[in-house]
Amino acid sequence: GAVVSQHPSWVICKSGTSVKIECRSLDFQATTMFWYRQFPKKSLMLMATSNEGSKATYEQGVEKDKFLINHASLTLSTLTVTSAHPEDSSFYICSAVDYLSTDTQYFGPGTRLTVL
Amino acid sequence: GDSVTQMEGPVTLSEEAFLTINCTYTATGYPSLFWYVQYPGEGLQLLLKATKADDKGSNKGFEATYRKETTSFHLEKGSVQVSDSAVYFCALSGAAGNKLTFGGGTRVLVKP
Repeated sequence: GAVVSQHPSWVICKSGTSVKIECRSLDFQATTMFWYRQFPKKSLMLMATSNEGSKATYEQGVEKDKFLINHASLTLSTLTVTSAHPEDSSFYICSAVDYLSTDTQYFGPGTRLTVL
Repeated sequence: GDSVTQMEGPVTLSEEAFLTINCTYTATGYPSLFWYVQYPGEGLQLLLKATKADDKGSNKGFEATYRKETTSFHLEKGSVQVSDSAVYFCALSGAAGNKLTFGGGTRVLVKP
């Protein structure tokens, strides 16, 4: 089946540093990837839609200069949390849509970010 | 905007018990409805879906029927197993492409 990986699975960083999270579709091509954020015991919140070769579309209230998204190829999207602060600590999850089957999102296992 | 409400967990059951997880939604137009499952340490997996009113999605013994009149998509399984222990998410996809709106998730624990 379709597999999406994320790297790293967890990361701890100091306040003020930047962290990059990778999302890869391993056995299919994804023209669209999504980035979500999940707080403890809360729902997944869509942050942005990432389209290969174009700028990401951010949801209302999400700072695009803080959460930089790049979708440079059909199998890779990256989320960079810039100048991270403790309130950015969260679980970040990506999903990818197989361009051959556009109604199903395949999810990565998530990345736990802790900012000290 | 769109929203999904599902019952809070955790839900603790004995093996072979009947499982129901309630899910209701608010959306404009005619959304598609989904149930995703997240097993411990894994990513979300699509469990089943329904794309129009009265459709029934089913997979691995789980079922859910798209009820437009009650704006609901309740998940049911007649006889759960320990391996069904997971977090279950109800979600909808509205008119805006493939964007998903999730419910808060329901943790299910099945004891032998």
